[in-house]
Amino acid sequence: AQTVTQSQPEMSVQEAETVTLSCTYDTSESDYYLFWYKQPPSRQMILVIRQEAYKQQNATENRFSVNFQKAAKSFSLKISDSQLGDAAMYFCAYTSKGANSKLTFGKGITLSVRP
Amino acid sequence: DSGVTQTPKHLITATGQRVTLRCSPRSGDLSVYWYQQSLDQGLQFLIQYYNGEERAKGNILERFSAQQFPDLHSELNLSSLELGDSALYFCASGGGDQPQHFGDGTRLSIL
Repeated sequence: AQTVTQSQPEMSVQEAETVTLSCTYDTSESDYYLFWYKQPPSRQMILVIRQEAYKQQNATENRFSVNFQKAAKSFSLKISDSQLGDAAMYFCAYTSKGANSKLTFGKGITLSVRP
Repeated sequence: DSGVTQTPKHLITATGQRVTLRCSPRSGDLSVYWYQQSLDQGLQFLIQYYNGEERAKGNILERFSAQQFPDLHSELNLSSLELGDSALYFCASGGGDQPQHFGDGTRLSIL
């Protein structure tokens, strides 16, 4: 079974600074997707970024980028130029490719942004 | 706006009761997923439907059931409710080669 581990329960960053959130996962599959979802206090689940395991290039979405290390099964999220609106819980998630593409989530990390 | 609609936003009920949560997927999405978010269990996959058929089951209790209708909306039925069923229930659509997009969730409170 696939597992996703987020070992840091909380992190804090100064506004305009850069922060990296860590995630590791375990799987025996060779092709899959990894995601970061953001859950602000409103409790919505918002997709931040997606990485396909077969793509060597790290995904980037504006101020958000990932460092995907397939051999190490590591998938970290870097947030540049942190903004107050980035304060939220962030979940790392894994899914297999194919029809049964349920998401397996980590426990999440709470990010606070200091003004 | 994710395009996934969940109703109601909040439900308050008592132990032993039965409730129905509703989800309409994004236009064009055939798959619907249900997830439960609780403080002690985190985010857990419950069940997936694809074009009206059950596709995968996760940690879903026997007291819970779901279905997907011909218009692709889905309902999650929770019966004989217990205090521990209090949680945020999410529906998502998409999947496969597309990311899953989530509705705003239904917050269920059992008194």
